[in-house]
Amino acid sequence: SQQGEEDPQALSIQEGENATMNCSYKTSINNLQWYRQNSGRGLVHLILIRSNEREKHSGRLRVTLDTSKKSSSLLITASRAADTASYFCATAPSGNTGKLIFGQGTTLQVKP
Amino acid sequence: DADVTQTPRNRITKTGKRIMLECSQTKGHDRMYWYRQDPGLGLRLIYYSFDVKDINKGEISDGYSVSRQAQAKFSLSLESAIPNQTALYFCATSELAGLTGTDTQYFGPGTRLTVL
Repeated sequence: SQQGEEDPQALSIQEGENATMNCSYKTSINNLQWYRQNSGRGLVHLILIRSNEREKHSGRLRVTLDTSKKSSSLLITASRAADTASYFCATAPSGNTGKLIFGQGTTLQVKP
Repeated sequence: DADVTQTPRNRITKTGKRIMLECSQTKGHDRMYWYRQDPGLGLRLIYYSFDVKDINKGEISDGYSVSRQAQAKFSLSLESAIPNQTALYFCATSELAGLTGTDTQYFGPGTRLTVL
């Protein structure tokens, strides 16, 4: 069964606006990762946040993690048309299983 | 050159046919994975392998088999394809996680399989 649930399923914004996507999960984790997928292509790793971290930044990306609520958010600031893609959260369950469990994804459309 | 490659990129086949999807990687990673992606369902793990002698079933292994021919090669087979196996298939790799345990995965470009 899938562990990550993402919200919203789809998001449409104008260029320059911020985009926020949320991810919830069910069990304890080692880390949570966000991936990006351009239409029909392979996923690309964006950012990883460990279970003992609360916030992380990478360029225009900001990720937060609340382990008490078992949730994470991905914020993309000053969005660009090139940010149009699907975004997936993936959790690495505790115990170093070597597996990731992916959410269903959020489809982001950034209009020029 | 791409670090993780998949062949073929597209395949159309008929019900009952045997199909093999191949994955090769030049990243030197020990761990390899096969996923399928269906619209609205995200990625689901089919099989994974942590080294050449290690094969493990994932969430949805029924109807599939795998072979880890070498550290760099991991093949997925559909012994008798059926229409509900129509999907986008991805191979991924990751390095053996040490104490830091990042589990970051690197994906191939995908194979679009259609079973008629």
